Amino acid sequence: GAVVSQHPSRVICKSGTSVKIECRSLDFQATTMFWYRQFPKQSLMLMATSNEGSKATYEQGVEKDKFLINHASLTLSTLTVTSAHPEDSSFYICSARQDLNTEAFFGQGTRLTVV
Amino acid sequence: KQEVTQIPAALSVPEGENLVLNCSFTDSAIYNLQWFRQDPGKGLTSLLLIQSSQREQTSGRLNASLDKSSGRSTLYIAASQPGDSATYLCAVEGRYSTLTFGKGTMLLVSP
Repeated sequence: GAVVSQHPSRVICKSGTSVKIECRSLDFQATTMFWYRQFPKQSLMLMATSNEGSKATYEQGVEKDKFLINHASLTLSTLTVTSAHPEDSSFYICSARQDLNTEAFFGQGTRLTVV
Repeated sequence: KQEVTQIPAALSVPEGENLVLNCSFTDSAIYNLQWFRQDPGKGLTSLLLIQSSQREQTSGRLNASLDKSSGRSTLYIAASQPGDSATYLCAVEGRYSTLTFGKGTMLLVSP
């Protein structure tokens, strides 16, 4: 299957700082990328959908000013958690797909801990 | 709003057993359904994708079925192995190409 690389896999940061997570599709061009968040023993919850070259669409309850998403190219999307707080500690996973009705491939995830 | 439920939440079986994981969804207007495997602290690995027009898909020891009208899917794992131990997630794709996930079934296969 296609490869989606997510970096970093783990990050610990202090409250109030910002953290950037990268998601790259290595062997295909992803017109759409998705960002999910997973709290312990919970489902993956979609945070936002981003299409290359346009603004991301955020799900209800997700603060767009706090979770900045950039999808500047067909192979790279970034999620920046700004002014992180301990409640932002979670497992963040990106997903990419080439086009509609194709499989969604997932990155390895990023474990964010805010202290 | 689409809701996806997976039963059981956890399952422990001895090696060699055949097993069935269940997934149900409330809105039958889906484009496809996908089964994933998630290892602890890791990302997701896609196992099988079933388009809404299909009834089942097979890959090796895995077989997934889809009954869209009743809102159900099953993942059948034949001759389970310890390496199959993981959390299995089912997700349905609806409008805007977004996936709605279940909470998963945590499977433990003991030697």
